[in-house]
Amino acid sequence: RKEVEQDPGPFNVPEGATVAFNCTYSNSASQSFFWYRQDCRKEPKLLMSVYSSGNEDGRFTAQLNRASQYISLLIRDSKLSDSATYLCVVNGHNNNDMRFGAGTRLTVKP
Amino acid sequence: SQTIHQWPATLVQPVGSPLSLECTVEGTSNPNLYWYRQAAGRGLQLLFYSVGIGQISSEVPQNLSASRPQDRQFILSSKKLLLSDSGFYLCAWSVGPHGYTFGSGTRLTVV
Repeated sequence: RKEVEQDPGPFNVPEGATVAFNCTYSNSASQSFFWYRQDCRKEPKLLMSVYSSGNEDGRFTAQLNRASQYISLLIRDSKLSDSATYLCVVNGHNNNDMRFGAGTRLTVKP
Repeated sequence: SQTIHQWPATLVQPVGSPLSLECTVEGTSNPNLYWYRQAAGRGLQLLFYSVGIGQISSEVPQNLSASRPQDRQFILSSKKLLLSDSGFYLCAWSVGPHGYTFGSGTRLTVV
């Protein structure tokens, strides 16, 4: 089983749509969770951390379910500029390193 | 403010040639430093991480090596490149459990 698994995608949605990504992780002791965004041929950039109580940043909502070992990212009112690959990140068995999912590609179309 | 510098941005090297990629961080002390590789259309693979000067942990056996000669400098090297070493190499740093900040990456093509 991979340490971090994401929806394979790609997701193709119209502008204004709501889209959700899920990610499961294998290390039950993980304490740190993040969503990153990566544009084509660019470095990943931190989108948001994921807290136990869930957190929201504008149109983006992240949630954590420890019992089922998954995190989610919800994007409301999708914009063309949201088109990117979204990476789920969870700390590994050694808390000094993070493990990345393979990413879910999102394309928002007019 | 903290910044991370990585160079070169692109590199084309012949098979069997050596490699040296450098990464430096400014504006922070004693960061954790990381080297990741992303093959075309694939996820990020952790290659090495370092929690301090001279301390290197390797995640994947390969013909690459890493060194940390100074607190804010992390170097990725190879004595002889293979075709399979092609990819997008990313350096990252972290201080505490607040996520990573990545450098702009080096796109390596081995020919």
